[in-house]
Amino acid sequence: AQRVTQPEKLLSVFKGAPVELKCNYSYSGSPELFWYVQYSRQRLQLLLRHISRESIKGFTADLNKGETSFHLKKPFAQEEDSAMYYCALKGVNTGFQKLVFGTGTRLLVSP
Amino acid sequence: SQTIHQWPATLVQPVGSPLSLECTVEGTSNPNLYWYRQAAGRGLQLLFYSVGIGQISSEVPQNLSASRPQDRQFILSSKKLLLSDSGFYLCAWSGARVTGELFFGEGSRLTVL
Repeated sequence: AQRVTQPEKLLSVFKGAPVELKCNYSYSGSPELFWYVQYSRQRLQLLLRHISRESIKGFTADLNKGETSFHLKKPFAQEEDSAMYYCALKGVNTGFQKLVFGTGTRLLVSP
Repeated sequence: SQTIHQWPATLVQPVGSPLSLECTVEGTSNPNLYWYRQAAGRGLQLLFYSVGIGQISSEVPQNLSASRPQDRQFILSSKKLLLSDSGFYLCAWSGARVTGELFFGEGSRLTVL
């Protein structure tokens, strides 16, 4: 069964501090991992996907198959990064697009 | 450009009353459509998805049903609401290509009293 675990409900840091939002997954096949973000009063939207190996708004995430993790990192947090972050998983061979989401982590960046 | 609209934004209903949440997508054809429920501490739970008109798949047994009467319209319904139906409901769409990107609506907050 597919499962995504985000152990932290809330992560509070000061501006300029490094940030790491944890995500662990359980999946027997090859996964595709994503991070979605919801800023205050905005819609839930895709932040980045592991396949693209991209850095979005300074955030990066590396898929570690050995540790079954996909942690989201940013070296210097900004106040505008405060939001709800969801990790999500999809099986590579899933014929229909079905994402399994974690429970989310609220990031609070204080000045 | 594509847009997704969902309404009503907020709804307060008594137990046992019916429910209808509507979602429409503009600017694309034959989208895949989804209804999610976002509950505190439980993340996003997929309730229903649809690949075409009249084609509905249910992910979890529940008191809710979904219908897709038109290509870009997706409706979430209940004949008799339960207290446990309270929550934040999100409609989403995706294109035919399986990319992992969902485009979400603004959500509907349902409170059952």
